Amino acid sequence: DTEVTQTPKHLVMGMTNKKSLKCEQHMGHRAMYWYKQKAKKPPELMFVYSYEKLSINESVPSRFSPECPNSSLLNLHLHALQPEDSALYLCASSQLGVYGYTFGSGTRLTVV
Amino acid sequence: AQSVTQLGSHVSVSEGALVLLRCNYSSSVPPYLFWYVQYPNQGLQLLLKYTSAATLVKGINGFEAEFKKSETSFHLTKPSAHMSDAAEYFCAVSDRETSYDKVIFGPGTSLSVIP
Repeated sequence: DTEVTQTPKHLVMGMTNKKSLKCEQHMGHRAMYWYKQKAKKPPELMFVYSYEKLSINESVPSRFSPECPNSSLLNLHLHALQPEDSALYLCASSQLGVYGYTFGSGTRLTVV
Repeated sequence: AQSVTQLGSHVSVSEGALVLLRCNYSSSVPPYLFWYVQYPNQGLQLLLKYTSAATLVKGINGFEAEFKKSETSFHLTKPSAHMSDAAEYFCAVSDRETSYDKVIFGPGTSLSVIP
């Protein structure tokens, strides 16, 4: 299995809602990542987990809360988001960043 | 801090013509460099990577890139464009100054292929 699977593919949520994005990989990669991508822009790093521990947090607002329950799963919990948080959220994994990432197809999030 | 620039936010080529997408980097240490492609409504796919072995790197779908230290460049080429090559292309560098796990993406180049 050489894929990163993200669910859901699309999500519409209100500003008072709580929702979660899920990401799964079965390649045995030790690192997993969350990126945010706005239209016509490059991906922006949010979080990096290495060996299930948070290793990089790019000063992301606390309304985004990552979780890594095990080496195959990565969640992003969302609460009290703003309309400007609407974007494509991409999950990726790698054995080591310099080997390159395997990306999921993303979750298209719309905050209304 | 390391960074990547891509000259030309949009490039158009005719089908069968040479594809050349430009990437320049700034780094105080030897970089690890990547090219990714993103098709509409999809995630990114790794095309190729440079990790300080051969300076000419071959990737998937007929693409290749050459690392030129003297020019701090890592341009992406393909001899003959195909309609299916139309996509967004991102050059990226691994931020070895802070973490091998952190990859910084350039602004992207949108490639259009004209039949």
